[in-house]
Amino acid sequence: SQQGEEDPQALSIQEGENATMNCSYKTSINNLQWYRQNSGRGLVHLILIRSNEREKHSGRLRVTLDTSKKSSSLLITASRAADTASYFCATDEAYKYIFGTGTRLKVLA
Amino acid sequence: NAGVTQTPKFQVLKTGQSMTLQCAQDMNHEYMSWYRQDPGMGLRLIHYSVGAGITDQGEVPNGYNVSRSTTEDFPLRLLSAAPSQTSVYFCASSFGTGANYEQYFGPGTRLTVT
Repeated sequence: SQQGEEDPQALSIQEGENATMNCSYKTSINNLQWYRQNSGRGLVHLILIRSNEREKHSGRLRVTLDTSKKSSSLLITASRAADTASYFCATDEAYKYIFGTGTRLKVLA
Repeated sequence: NAGVTQTPKFQVLKTGQSMTLQCAQDMNHEYMSWYRQDPGMGLRLIHYSVGAGITDQGEVPNGYNVSRSTTEDFPLRLLSAAPSQTSVYFCASSFGTGANYEQYFGPGTRLTVT
C-alpha cells in the first residue's frame, strides 16, 4: 500500500506564483524526501528532512514536516515554467522507500 | 560517473515471454531497488537489495526475480510476461538504506506486454 499520499493530485498555476503540495503518511518515519519527475524521465532528489526537523530550505524550495499530523508540505516559490513536473514524497519503512502517488504541477508561462 | 544506467529503454514482449531488465551503477552504492510506475499509481517497490548477495521483496514482487551478485549490477527478471506487467520500470541506488540517503534513479525502461 502507498505510504504517502500527495494532495492535490494536480495543480496548475501561473509563472511567478507559489506552489504548495502536501504529503500525508501512515506510519512513523525517520526521514521524508521529496523528488521531482519530469515527463518520461527518472526521479530526481530535491530535499530530505529528518524526523527531528520541522522546516528546511533549499533555494526556492521550502519543506515542512509535522510528525504529530504525519504530514509534510513542499512549497516552491516564484515558480517557473521549468518547474512543470510531478512531485513525489517518499518515506522509509524498514529498508524500503515508499513513494506517494504524486502531484502533477503545471506552471503556465 | 555514468550514474545509474538501464537497458533496454523500450521493450515489447508477447505474453509468456521472459526477459531481463539490466541495471548498473558506478557509484559503489550498497542499496539498489526496482520500481514500477503505472499511470496515477506513483512508484511501487518490486524488489530491493541492501548489498551484494542480499535481496528482499517489496510491495509487488510477484512475477519478478532479482539477484545481486556484484555491488554494481541488479538485474530484474520477468519470468513469464503478462499484460499486467506493462509499465515503466525504474532502477535506483543509494549509499545507504532507509531514507537517510537520497536515491539516484535510472532513466527507466518502458515495457509493453501484448
